[in-house]
Amino acid sequence: EAQVTQNPRYLITVTGKKLTVTCSQNMNHEYMSWYRQDPGLGLRQIYYSMNVEVTDKGDVPEGYKVSRKEKRNFPLILESPSPNQTSLYFCASSLNQRLENSPLHFGNGTRLTVT
Amino acid sequence: AQSVAQPEDQVNVAEGNPLTVKCTYSVSGNPYLFWYVQYPNRGLQFLLKYITGDNLVKGSYGFEAEFNKSQTSFHLKKPSALVSDSALYFCAVRDRIGSGNTGKLIFGQGTTLQVKP
Repeated sequence: EAQVTQNPRYLITVTGKKLTVTCSQNMNHEYMSWYRQDPGLGLRQIYYSMNVEVTDKGDVPEGYKVSRKEKRNFPLILESPSPNQTSLYFCASSLNQRLENSPLHFGNGTRLTVT
Repeated sequence: AQSVAQPEDQVNVAEGNPLTVKCTYSVSGNPYLFWYVQYPNRGLQFLLKYITGDNLVKGSYGFEAEFNKSQTSFHLKKPSALVSDSALYFCAVRDRIGSGNTGKLIFGQGTTLQVKP
């Protein structure tokens, strides 16, 4: 089944403890991206990647890192999480060809709580 | 800058009645418009898209959307609502590629659809 898989689904951590949220897609998509969803603010892009070894900042990159060493994986790294990073996170992917009209495929989300 | 607006936070409809979830957009050039649905504890699922061609676009689960260029709208519709359609619906436009744009989806704030038996 074609899908985007994120892990974990739920994560509770403390301020400053490094964490990684994994994302993997099995559709051979070049484009991958991370979003966070917050009440009243909708979904905002954190980082994106056009292809392997090509990553760039989205609208809200502060406090996050990503890597794209292979096509299928796009982990989100929080080096020193803070409470304002408590949010619902989504990984998404799409074809790169005709990117503008390609739908994004989303994972099921990771609910992160930082205390 | 491109943007999308969903003027209603919530839409309530009785089961079996037609439903409309409103969306207006502001883009330069041709718009690439999408509708997504989010069920509780799930990711966003793609419903349909408008790229070009017919103004009425058909999508998943019996949904359709009507593109209206003069009104810059892309309303989501369904002729007969089901209780299981109750969810959060997002309208979105895909950011243009090139000139520093990121290929991201620019989302509206979302509209909660409540279908009552």
